[in-house]
Amino acid sequence: AQKITQTQPGMFVQEKEAVTLDCTYDTSDPSYGLFWYKQPSSGEMIFLIYQGSYDQQNATEGRYSLNFQKARKSANLVISASQLGDSAMYFCAMREGNTGGFKTIFGAGTRLFVKA
Amino acid sequence: GAVVSQHPSWVICKSGTSVKIECRSLDFQATTMFWYRQFPKQSLMLMATSNEGSKATYEQGVEKDKFLINHASLTLSTLTVTSAHPEDSSFYICSASPATEDRSQHFGDGTRLSIL
Repeated sequence: AQKITQTQPGMFVQEKEAVTLDCTYDTSDPSYGLFWYKQPSSGEMIFLIYQGSYDQQNATEGRYSLNFQKARKSANLVISASQLGDSAMYFCAMREGNTGGFKTIFGAGTRLFVKA
Repeated sequence: GAVVSQHPSWVICKSGTSVKIECRSLDFQATTMFWYRQFPKQSLMLMATSNEGSKATYEQGVEKDKFLINHASLTLSTLTVTSAHPEDSSFYICSASPATEDRSQHFGDGTRLSIL
């Protein structure tokens, strides 16, 4: 069975500094996708970044980068130059299979607080 | 980009009422949609996979008679919470993706259900 683990319930970071949110996963499927989503207090799910299991390069999207360590089964999110608007809940998620028809499961989440 | 619309955003109703939540893919066809439930300060828990033209696939522990899912067209899935009780109060959110897309699921904005 697939599993996603986020061990940091809450994290604090100073504005303009970088922060790493941890995520480990477990799957026996060789084809999978890893995602990070941001959920502000309003509730909507905002897609941040995607890493496919066969991707050779670590994914980057603006200030977001994904540190993909396949052998360790980790997919940590790095947010550079934190902004006050980054304060939110962050979820790591995994989909076994390589298209949108496969279900996605979520980790417990990490609440990020950005301090001015 | 792909857009998923969820309606209603808020529902407040009396115990014993049945509540229907709609999830529509506005600019793509979705043979598969997903329904999640989220309690306050918790993660998204997958309830079921909605399959167009066939029965939904429910996750373990989810009562299929309580949460009725209908996916009658390629752009619409509905979740009906039957005979709702206060413990059914939660945030319900749907997602979908074009079948060939390998990146993110697209989420609706969610429905906050409060049963009095």
